[in-house]
Amino acid sequence: EAQVTQNPRYLITVTGKKLTVTCSQNMNHEYMSWYRQDPGLGLRQIYYSMNVEVTDKGDVPEGYKVSRKEKRNFPLILESPSPNQTSLYFCASSSGGGKNEQYFGPGTRLTVT
Amino acid sequence: GQSLEQPSEVTAVEGAIVQINCTYQTSGFYGLSWYQQHDGGAPTFLSYNALDGLEETGRFSSFLSRSDSYGYLLLQELQMKDSASYFCAVRGHFNKFYFGSGTKLNVKP
Repeated sequence: EAQVTQNPRYLITVTGKKLTVTCSQNMNHEYMSWYRQDPGLGLRQIYYSMNVEVTDKGDVPEGYKVSRKEKRNFPLILESPSPNQTSLYFCASSSGGGKNEQYFGPGTRLTVT
Repeated sequence: GQSLEQPSEVTAVEGAIVQINCTYQTSGFYGLSWYQQHDGGAPTFLSYNALDGLEETGRFSSFLSRSDSYGYLLLQELQMKDSASYFCAVRGHFNKFYFGSGTKLNVKP
């Protein structure tokens, strides 16, 4: 089954404690992206990757890091989480082809206290 | 800056037709997409327009006018399961994506 998986699905942590949210896709997609979703703000792109070792900043990259060492994986790293990073996070992948269709993971709800 | 404007909420009755509008102002334009998101779920792709005109996919249609920086999603024969949030999204320069803040559609019996 074609899918995007994220782990963990729920995470409560404290300010400053480094964390990683994993994302994996099994569709051999070149394009992967991270979004955060906050009430009234829709989805905002954090980082995206066009292919292995190619990443770039989205609209809200501050406080986040990413890496793309393998085509299927695109982890999101919060080196020193702060309460304003409490949000719902989605990973997405796309073939990058004509329809720009993105497949989203199930989401990770992060709470930073 | 980048902006996509869509109504925050729309209510309609089962069986009716509803139109959700989206106006955009972005750096570059490489297509307008629509996504559906049910409460607690992930966004799922509905439709895409790169060129002006209407695209039809079953009960859903999407329209684009690039000269007006405007598009809409048309949902026909509304069903209760269509109650969800709908987002328009634009792919801009450098493969960045911009999403609207979403329209919550309430379908009433």
